[in-house]
Amino acid sequence: EDKVVQSPLSLVVHEGDTVTLNCSYEVTNFRSLLWYKQEKKAPTFLFMLTSSGIEKKSGRLSSILDKKELFSILNITATQTGDSAVYLCAVTSGTYKYIFGTGTRLKVLA
Amino acid sequence: DVKVTQSSRYLVKRTGEKVFLECVQDMDHENMFWYRQDPGLGLRLIYFSYDVKMKEKGDIPEGYSVSREKKERFSLILESASTNQTSMYLCASSLWRGDLNTGELFFGEGSRLTVL
Repeated sequence: EDKVVQSPLSLVVHEGDTVTLNCSYEVTNFRSLLWYKQEKKAPTFLFMLTSSGIEKKSGRLSSILDKKELFSILNITATQTGDSAVYLCAVTSGTYKYIFGTGTRLKVLA
Repeated sequence: DVKVTQSSRYLVKRTGEKVFLECVQDMDHENMFWYRQDPGLGLRLIYFSYDVKMKEKGDIPEGYSVSREKKERFSLILESASTNQTSMYLCASSLWRGDLNTGELFFGEGSRLTVL
């Protein structure tokens, strides 16, 4: 059975800290891995990764995929209170399938 | 700006009522999806549609049906709502890319349904 596991489940840090969120997967017919940020409403897209070892970066956020070890990490440096959210990892498999993890809830304290 | 719009943000219904959740996208996407999101369970796929009038069951289709009469609109129907269908419902769409679906999912704002 396809599955995506995120860790930790939740995390509390102080502003300025660096955090690393993990996503491991066991999926047949892997196509891509996506990261989303969800605050009170719709998940918003962060990154899509298809190739191993190539870091994607956007401001203080970065992500990398390891297709051999079947995981991805999302790094957030110099965290701010606005980074508080649930971070979702999803893996696409086959033609239509998106398999989501349960998310990591990040709380950044001022 | 691309958009997926869900018609109702908050609904309160009674057990046994019929519930319609509407979703419209303006991106000309072929694929549309309905998920429910519950604490500790993540997003679970109810149904998806890859073309007009085409639909496929997801992981938890029981108690739900869908309708896609036009490309831009995908409706989720609860024929007889039950309390265990209290949840956040998220609609999403994605672009068809041949036989590879690596594409980003675009989400609506969500519809929080409470069934009493």
